[in-house]
Amino acid sequence: GNSVTQMEGPVTLSEEAFLTINCTYTATGYPSLFWYVQYPGEGLQLLLKATKADDKGSNKGFEATYRKETTSFHLEKGSVQVSDSAVYFCALTYNNDMRFGAGTRLTVKP
Amino acid sequence: DSGVTQTPKHLITATGQRVTLRCSPRSGDLSVYWYQQSLDQGLQFLIQYYNGEERAKGNILERFSAQQFPDLHSELNLSSLELGDSALYFCASSEQGSSYNSPLHFGNGTRLTVT
Repeated sequence: GNSVTQMEGPVTLSEEAFLTINCTYTATGYPSLFWYVQYPGEGLQLLLKATKADDKGSNKGFEATYRKETTSFHLEKGSVQVSDSAVYFCALTYNNDMRFGAGTRLTVKP
Repeated sequence: DSGVTQTPKHLITATGQRVTLRCSPRSGDLSVYWYQQSLDQGLQFLIQYYNGEERAKGNILERFSAQQFPDLHSELNLSSLELGDSALYFCASSEQGSSYNSPLHFGNGTRLTVT
């Protein structure tokens, strides 16, 4: 079946540090891949997406590249801010089957 | 603001009771999805409706049911509530029937507490 595995949190970083949150997937075909972000007290918001191999999704300084050879979609940001503190979810969809990872809580300290 | 409206924001009820959660999708979106988010289970897909018809079913208990009305709003009914049903319930909507290239837009959720 389809599934997503992302690195366990929590992750705590200082402001301006480099962020990587690992995400790998298992799918029977070629899924679309997403990163969603959930700020405290809110629902999930789409952060970025990629629909085919080697696509790079980017938004608000965050990037992730769809790597078919390693079945990965790692989230990166070069310099995090306190306002990036949130829970990040990796997700895939294939044949209308959408799966979310367990979420990674990021805390950025000033 | 995602454009998805969920009511109520908070609900406290007793075991054995029944509650109804309501969702209004983003204008123009035909699909509605329901998710349950709990600390130990993460984000669990419950059910999807597309233009009034059930499209996909996930880990939804038999005590739970949902429907989508002609105006596209949706309701999730939870009955014979148990302590373990306490969770955040999210509604999400998307334009199309398939989530392949149509991202989900989430509401802010309904926090259900069963005492």
